[in-house]
Amino acid sequence: NAGVTQTPKFRVLKTGQSMTLLCAQDMNHEYMYWYRQDPGMGLRLIHYSVGEGTTAKGEVPDGYNVSRLKKQNFLLGLESAAPSQTSVYFCASSSGLAGAYEQYFGPGTRLTVT
Amino acid sequence: EDQVTQSPEALRLQEGESSSLNCSYTVSGLRGLFWYRQDPGKGPEFLFTLYSAGEEKEKERLKATLTKKESFLHITAPKPEDSATYLCAVIQGGSNYKLTFGKGTLLTVNP
Repeated sequence: NAGVTQTPKFRVLKTGQSMTLLCAQDMNHEYMYWYRQDPGMGLRLIHYSVGEGTTAKGEVPDGYNVSRLKKQNFLLGLESAAPSQTSVYFCASSSGLAGAYEQYFGPGTRLTVT
Repeated sequence: EDQVTQSPEALRLQEGESSSLNCSYTVSGLRGLFWYRQDPGKGPEFLFTLYSAGEEKEKERLKATLTKKESFLHITAPKPEDSATYLCAVIQGGSNYKLTFGKGTLLTVNP
């Protein structure tokens, strides 16, 4: 049982390049999330999904797109990377059942945009 | 205005020196308050969920409590391996399970 996994672990992009971050979970969770973590800012929600085929905007969605084609996968895309998107990105999942809201996080992807 | 405020920002303890971390929140209709531990270079690790005022939960040297305005994470006789950043987060009513995080408390326990 791997829990939540993220690929890649590290990535360096040049301004204007694109990339996709992959998140996978093996807990059969309905809900999945993408966060970014910046020094002094705490974790902020980018986008989330409440089930296969659904996506919704979080607190800081600009410059990012997401897709949830399969229940176990949640992809985060950057179409034209900017230095302001340098951050550590975390994926999380939760069952979404009543009384079970805790989210389980992946190990993170450290992205640097130069 | 921050909905979740953690204090102190950093805390340095000697091994065995008990203390508490604070998480105050201003959200209405609290659905749940969560404590996570985050080690450097890793993702947050779930510790506790508290749902209602008066609730308490324990795990090893950690005990979390909840009032109507704040939560405390009590650390009894800490060890160096308890060193980490401790994050507090809340889910409020009508949020569709979205967590709002505080900025965390960096705890260092010296041997």
